[in-house]
Amino acid sequence: ETGVTQSPTHLIKTRGQQVTLRCSSQSGHNTVSWYQQALGQGPQFIFQYYREEENGRGNFPPRFSGLQFPNYSSELNVNALELDDSALYLCASSQKPTDTQYFGPGTRLTVL
Amino acid sequence: AQTVTQSQPEMSVQEAETVTLSCTYDTSESDYYLFWYKQPPSRQMILVIRQEAYKQQNATENRFSVNFQKAAKSFSLKISDSQLGDAAMYFCASDGATNKLIFGTGTLLAVQP
Repeated sequence: ETGVTQSPTHLIKTRGQQVTLRCSSQSGHNTVSWYQQALGQGPQFIFQYYREEENGRGNFPPRFSGLQFPNYSSELNVNALELDDSALYLCASSQKPTDTQYFGPGTRLTVL
Repeated sequence: AQTVTQSQPEMSVQEAETVTLSCTYDTSESDYYLFWYKQPPSRQMILVIRQEAYKQQNATENRFSVNFQKAAKSFSLKISDSQLGDAAMYFCASDGATNKLIFGTGTLLAVQP
């Protein structure tokens, strides 16, 4: 059974640019949740996708957007990058929205 | 609003000894789950243990067990026979009807040989 995978591992961007992060869910999971973890803090919920539809959103601006594909993999897009967007971005998948979430290894984004 | 509080930024334990990490939470949900996740330097968040709020029996997973006090909204993690590989950041988290996890600020556990 393949676990949750994320790409890329690290990314460096400059302020104002756009970035796309990718996540492949664990086999048999149809729900993907995205979290932002700033240095020294706990993860903060960005949004969740269930069967290709957004199923809940945290307190993040509209420049954070996402997609889920028919194979349940997902993308997180961030437009107009700001310095404060520098963080570890974690993806988690679950069998359904209310089930236990299993995390990927994360993508470290640095905005200069 | 749901909140999770971890009041111990850092803890230390001797190898083979027992350590308890504290967590308190606040929620208006009647049906919820509580979790402990471990995040080693590799960054991947690993599920340690899960507790269903409606179950009175404390969850146990090998050397890891919880003390769940629902009335006090307390959810502590006990690690027995600590091993060097247990060294990591530990996060307490809760969920509810919103399906999103609310995390505490974490406790950094050091294991001394």
